[in-house]
Amino acid sequence: QQQVKQSPQSLIVQKGGIPIINCAYENTAFDYFPWYQQFPGKGPALLIAIRPDVSEKKEGRFTISFNKSAKQFSLHIMDSQPGDSATYFCAAGRGTTDSWGKLQFGAGTQVVVTP
Amino acid sequence: DTAVSQTPKYLVTQMGNDKSIKCEQNLGHDTMYWYKQDSKKFLKIMFSYNNKELIINETVPNRFSPKSPDKAHLNLHINSLELGDSAVYFCASSQGVAVYEQYFGPGTRLTVT
Repeated sequence: QQQVKQSPQSLIVQKGGIPIINCAYENTAFDYFPWYQQFPGKGPALLIAIRPDVSEKKEGRFTISFNKSAKQFSLHIMDSQPGDSATYFCAAGRGTTDSWGKLQFGAGTQVVVTP
Repeated sequence: DTAVSQTPKYLVTQMGNDKSIKCEQNLGHDTMYWYKQDSKKFLKIMFSYNNKELIINETVPNRFSPKSPDKAHLNLHINSLELGDSAVYFCASSQGVAVYEQYFGPGTRLTVT
C-alpha cells in the first residue's frame, strides 16, 4: 500500500514552462517531506525539503508548496530548462524511533523539458 | 572523492546463485541504508543501520542479509537469487538527526537470468 501518492506519472513542458508535480499522503505523523531528483543511471539526489509548519519553501528555481489541512504538497520548477529533465520523487518520513530514516517514496514523475 | 560508492555497478547472474553488493561512504555519516528500485522506478527501503546496529528491517525475504563491518561500510548479501530480485539496488547514508537528508550511491543494477 503506497503511503505517498504522486501525480502525474510523466510531464512534458517547453523550456521556460513550470512543471508542477503533486503528492498526497494520509499519515498525519509524517513530519518531513523531501523531494529527490534522479537522472538516468544515477542515484536520487536530495533537491529540497519542507516540514509541515511551513507552507512554502523556495530554493533557486524549485519551490515546494505545502497544504497541511489537505495533506498535499507539490513541487514547482520555475523557468524550467532542458537540464531539469529527470525523474522527480516526493517522499515523506516521520521522526519516531521505529521509523528513523524510513522514507516513503511516491512513484515518481518523469519530467521532460523540451528546448 | 566519491561520497557514496557501490560495487559492482552491474551484476548479471543466474537464478539460485549467491551474490554480494558492497557500499562505502566517505562522508563520515553514521546511518546507512539499502533501497530497491524496481523496473517501474519505485523506490523502497530495505534496511538501515546506525553505527553498525540494524534499525530498519522491512519485510524483505531472509535471503537478503545486510552486514555493516563498520560505520563507513554496508554490504548486502543475497542468497538463492530469484528472477524477481532483478532491480537496481541503492545504498544511501545520512548523518545524525538529519536522517531524511540521504545521500545515495550510483546504484547496482542486478539482473537475474
